[in-house]
Amino acid sequence: QSALTQPPSASGSPGQSVTISCTGTSSDIGGYNYVSWYQQHPGKAPKLMIYEVTKRPSGVPDRFSGSKSGNTASLTVSGLQAEDEADYYCSSYIGSNNWGFGGGTKLTVL
Amino acid sequence: QVQLVQSGAEVKKPGASVKVSCKASGYTFATYNMHWVRQAPGQGLEWMGKINPSGDGTTYAQRIQGRVSMSRDTSTSTAYMELSSLRLEDTAVYYCARGYNYGHDYWGQGTLVTVSS
Repeated sequence: QSALTQPPSASGSPGQSVTISCTGTSSDIGGYNYVSWYQQHPGKAPKLMIYEVTKRPSGVPDRFSGSKSGNTASLTVSGLQAEDEADYYCSSYIGSNNWGFGGGTKLTVL
Repeated sequence: QVQLVQSGAEVKKPGASVKVSCKASGYTFATYNMHWVRQAPGQGLEWMGKINPSGDGTTYAQRIQGRVSMSRDTSTSTAYMELSSLRLEDTAVYYCARGYNYGHDYWGQGTLVTVSS
């Protein structure tokens, strides 16, 4: 059982925006600003897209943005493109030098 | 450029142990934590644990504590993850990932470990 809860699927048409949620508790997402998001294409290793809730690593398009409200974090993908179709995972520091992942969301570009 | 190159696929019998290596290059190995994450077939990511830069501090996920051991050799810039008493449900792709600001910025290519009788 994942520590964090994500919807199993999300979808949008090219050019649209889609938001993926990640719900935890006050002991993980709500307690720290240490949420990260990963993109994983089939057969590939995950790729860091967002860290510390809102920060983008170098090279990640600004179409990807992160936010947090209370115990829920969100990843928004604006201007959807075909190559954005992938699985997305949230992760959070959960205290005591432990990390947790969400169950993943499959994003489909219609 | 930063690279994490992992050892090859393994097939093990239940009850056996497996040791996966992760050779780092392109950065100062002794400066960053190394995490291990696994992914069972068709499933999500599961954090397994981490080892600190000097190699003298580890934290393991409670679910596998007692069966997992992480180590690192700074002379060869290589991290290791050993999982013992293997079960069928340990079949997964195992990834090493560099710790960065409470996230994981670089990942190895993954090592498939198959547990089968």
